[in-house]
Amino acid sequence: EPEVTQTPSHQVTQMGQEVILRCVPISNHLYFYWYRQILGQKVEFLVSFYNNEISEKSEIFDDQFSVERPDGSNFTLKIRSTKLEDSAMYFCASSEQGNNQPQHFGDGTRLSIL
Amino acid sequence: AQSVTQLGSHVSVSEGALVLLRCNYSSSVPPYLFWYVQYPNQGLQLLLKYTSAATLVKGINGFEAEFKKSETSFHLTKPSAHMSDAAEYFCAVSVDNFNKFYFGSGTKLNVKP
Repeated sequence: EPEVTQTPSHQVTQMGQEVILRCVPISNHLYFYWYRQILGQKVEFLVSFYNNEISEKSEIFDDQFSVERPDGSNFTLKIRSTKLEDSAMYFCASSEQGNNQPQHFGDGTRLSIL
Repeated sequence: AQSVTQLGSHVSVSEGALVLLRCNYSSSVPPYLFWYVQYPNQGLQLLLKYTSAATLVKGINGFEAEFKKSETSFHLTKPSAHMSDAAEYFCAVSVDNFNKFYFGSGTKLNVKP
């Protein structure tokens, strides 16, 4: 069964450094998402991406964050200047289309900011 | 605004006992509802979904959920718990065209031998 893959599984970065989290969504999916889960808290929506542009973003997704689909297969989340509070598990998800489709999640990248 | 409430951050049952995990939602429009399971160090795996067809939805691993509009609930049940069911369970609601999910805070299920 096709799956969403995320790399790396764990990323350790110094505060203030840039970090790029990578995702390969399921190949025939059209909608892409990033979520984050701070330790002990709920999964929070960050951004959705469709037709090569951001379709919606949350308050968390400020100017420090950006997403890109550079080559038709990868979907990346960049944090420009990381802060301690960016430490979390980041999940990528994809879905086929429409508003009744389940999202398929990757195993996540644990981001630790030192 | 949409929201999801999961009552009970931790639920403990004995192996073979009924599992009941509660989820209530708040939505101004008909929602689409999902249950996901998360095993340690893994991503979210879809258990089942409600998309306005049958109100009783059957999912994987023997789980099912019933959509009750009058109670704004979508509780997850399984008649007989298995040790392998120990995990964290998340209820999610989606209402808009781009399918943004709102997640509940999760319920950790512990299964005692």
